[in-house]
Amino acid sequence: ETGVTQTPRHLVMGMTNKKSLKCEQHLGHNAMYWYKQSAKKPLELMFVYSLEERVENNSVPSRFSPECPNSSHLFLHLHTLQPEDSALYLCASSQAGGLYNEQFFGPGTRLTVL
Amino acid sequence: QQPVQSPQAVILREGEDAVINCSSSKALYSVHWYRQKHGEAPVFLMILLKGGEQKGHEKISASFNEKKQQSSLYLTASQLSYSGTYFCGTDMSGAGSYQLTFGKGTKLSVIP
Repeated sequence: ETGVTQTPRHLVMGMTNKKSLKCEQHLGHNAMYWYKQSAKKPLELMFVYSLEERVENNSVPSRFSPECPNSSHLFLHLHTLQPEDSALYLCASSQAGGLYNEQFFGPGTRLTVL
Repeated sequence: QQPVQSPQAVILREGEDAVINCSSSKALYSVHWYRQKHGEAPVFLMILLKGGEQKGHEKISASFNEKKQQSSLYLTASQLSYSGTYFCGTDMSGAGSYQLTFGKGTKLSVIP
């Protein structure tokens, strides 16, 4: 595997389910990001981890819970989601230690909440 | 506040040029440009920093006017492969890549 991978690629869940999204980067980076991309809306930054510590949390509802066990893996745990949470969830990574490093994105998980 | 991109969409014939603009109501530390093809992940194009430093794509150029708080992406002699949605991400806090606010995107379609 190369680059940034995300699983699953598609997920359909009910409002009472609990599921997790997984992201893995094979680039040797040490910063990882979760973004939400909805139709007709801009990319929204959700969480940032640098050196496995959370740097940024943009007032995301608590039904989204991130986890970064090491610099290569990032999870987004989901529970009691709402239909408006349906979107494409993108993971990205970059090299920390420089503020202006390009981000490498994964292909995303298309989430549908029924 | 998110930056405003213009135009929202543009259709070009191969070989034509295009300019995509990104404007902010706040002072900017840097502007980041990405392209996303349909069904694919966004791909990095360029970063422009205050003071004129740039890093990015060899075949795509961009400008950053700090006083006007805007950036422009120049696509010259467009190719079919240039089709996609272009996003600018703005750094308004000095946090760099850790805190980008993205525009809604400009959809570029290049036709033969």
